[in-house]
Amino acid sequence: DAGVIQSPRHEVTEMGQEVTLRCKPISGHDYLFWYRQTMMRGLELLIYFNNNVPIDDSGMPEDRFSAKMPNASFSTLKIQPSEPRDSAVYFCASSLARRSGADSYQPQHFGDGTRLSIL
Amino acid sequence: QKEVEQDPGPLSVPEGAIVSLNCTYSNSAFQYFMWYRQYSRKGPELLMYTYSSGNKEDGRFTAQVDKSSKYISLFIRDSQPSDSATYLCAAGGTSYGKLTFGQGTILTVHP
Repeated sequence: DAGVIQSPRHEVTEMGQEVTLRCKPISGHDYLFWYRQTMMRGLELLIYFNNNVPIDDSGMPEDRFSAKMPNASFSTLKIQPSEPRDSAVYFCASSLARRSGADSYQPQHFGDGTRLSIL
Repeated sequence: QKEVEQDPGPLSVPEGAIVSLNCTYSNSAFQYFMWYRQYSRKGPELLMYTYSSGNKEDGRFTAQVDKSSKYISLFIRDSQPSDSATYLCAAGGTSYGKLTFGQGTILTVHP
């Protein structure tokens, strides 16, 4: 089975440019997550979707960041305009919906990330 | 203060050693606790998952959660060089799907 697919794997661009990161979740998964990982702050949740609908975007750092999920098999994270402090590894993850019962966690499956450098 | 705290290390041990990795958390609403392993330039992958307090064992790995002290632990027995990775603890339960991760501990097991 194909896992979560992210593109590009690496992106180097100049400050002020628009950056678009892409994610294809695992087929059949109901949840999609966008994370950012830096040495200083670790792995932080930016936003997540359930059935293509944004549920919680409280982790999005500012208005320069936006995310969309136009269908169940595709999501984008856009930064416009980009700044050097946005340099990080951005991960996408997906999971199934919860099972019934109290112990209902479904694991999140991560892609291999996009390494973003803003010069 | 972060909701999940983890010592970033790095931690270096000889092959065969018992490794103990720990996290603390502050949010009493957390119900799910997990450990993810992340190899260099790869995404995290789920290693262990525990619901509420208790222990869970899987081969050489044991996860423990003590909700009274808000303490999460992962033990690795007979550590191998292939265990060298970053280990991230995570907690969730305030809202389904939402996880809060620790900083990650870099572990190196040398032959």
